[in-house]
Amino acid sequence: AQTVTQSQPEMSVQEAETVTLSCTYDTSESDYYLFWYKQPPSRQMILVIRQEAYKQQNATENRFSVNFQKAAKSFSLKISDSQLGDAAMYFCAYRSYMEYGNKLVFGAGTILRVKS
Amino acid sequence: EADIYQTPRYLVIGTGKKITLECSQTMGHDKMYWYQQDPGMELHLIHYSYGVNSTEKGDLSSESTVSRIRTEHFPLTLESARPSHTSQYLCASSEYGTSGSPFFGPGTRLTVL
Repeated sequence: AQTVTQSQPEMSVQEAETVTLSCTYDTSESDYYLFWYKQPPSRQMILVIRQEAYKQQNATENRFSVNFQKAAKSFSLKISDSQLGDAAMYFCAYRSYMEYGNKLVFGAGTILRVKS
Repeated sequence: EADIYQTPRYLVIGTGKKITLECSQTMGHDKMYWYQQDPGMELHLIHYSYGVNSTEKGDLSSESTVSRIRTEHFPLTLESARPSHTSQYLCASSEYGTSGSPFFGPGTRLTVL
């Protein structure tokens, strides 16, 4: 079974600075999807960014980018120019390419605090 | 507006009561899911559905049950609530196929006294 590990329970960053959240996963599959979701306090969970394993190019979405290292099974999220609105719980998630049900396996999450 | 809705957002109830958590989506998604999340913890899949009249149990055992009579509606029921059921319940949906990313509802925070 696949597992997702987020080793940083909590991180802090100064406003306008850059922060990187770590995620590693374990799988024997070669094709899969990886996701970062953001869950603000008492608010809806939203998709931040997504990476297909067969793509070598790292995904980017505005201030959010990933460093996908397939051989190392690592999938870190970099947030540039951090804003107060970035404060949230961030979850890394894995889904098998062949998973018809689109079921996600989540990590334990990382709380990101942004200081002004 | 296409979205996914959950009601109630907060529920405090006594032990032994029957409760139903509602989830509806207006995106026409075939697949729907229920996740359970304790505060500050990871999400665990408890139920999912591929479409109407299809329901499956997830990875985490749960005493709850679900039904899928209409595409847009995926309610979760607890026949007899217990304090161990206290948690947050998140509903999600995704489109047909393997490439869709699940969209999440706002969640229902359940407290059983």
